[in-house]
Amino acid sequence: GESVGLHLPTLSVQEGDNSIINCAYSNSASDYFIWYKQESGKGPQFIIDIRSNMDKRQGQRVTVLLNKTVKHLSLQIAATQPGDSAVYFCAENIGNSGYSTLTFGKGTMLLVSP
Amino acid sequence: GEEVAQTPKHLVRGEGQKAKLYCAPIKGHSYVFWYQQVLKNEFKFLISFQNENVFDETGMPKERFSAKCLPNSPCSLEIQATKLEDSAVYFCASSQSSTQGPNYGYTFGSGTRLTVV
Repeated sequence: GESVGLHLPTLSVQEGDNSIINCAYSNSASDYFIWYKQESGKGPQFIIDIRSNMDKRQGQRVTVLLNKTVKHLSLQIAATQPGDSAVYFCAENIGNSGYSTLTFGKGTMLLVSP
Repeated sequence: GEEVAQTPKHLVRGEGQKAKLYCAPIKGHSYVFWYQQVLKNEFKFLISFQNENVFDETGMPKERFSAKCLPNSPCSLEIQATKLEDSAVYFCASSQSSTQGPNYGYTFGSGTRLTVV
């Protein structure tokens, strides 16, 4: 289930389950979105991105869904593995370019039990 | 190289002391960004550079914080007269500018953990 901890919302799942992590973004002008995974002691690691002209994009075991109407982004992880345990952040930018500043959302901690 | 190198990994400073953090971007990346992360929470944007020029400094505290990216040197972020509230992990990222490839090569370093005591 999902709960709100002192600092981070946490999603606890069993190995093999599918996980869904949600993100609400604030700026309707944002046109590029990225999901990052952050493991303890490391920097954010790119998982998948999506441009605003798309609703869905699939990668290996991951899918990102974008609902511009309600400014909502989700990350679906299929067959979650213990190695997926980390904090996940969504990020948005305007300008759809590498020089635009990324604005990060609040992270969600994913805990995967064997 | 193909990674963003940040040094040192850990830095401990007494309140009021100066702290200086370094970042070597990926070769060929034109843009460098600094972010501050407190307690694994959100990333606060500080400043960005296009080569050695400040590109966006809207997140930079007006006092005590400064940053530079000089030719043929790592970029640096300096905090004068550190305060307890400056304790955080500072991340550097670099990116390409014009490619349409995934993520524009926006790559983060492993961060410098600054502890002010």
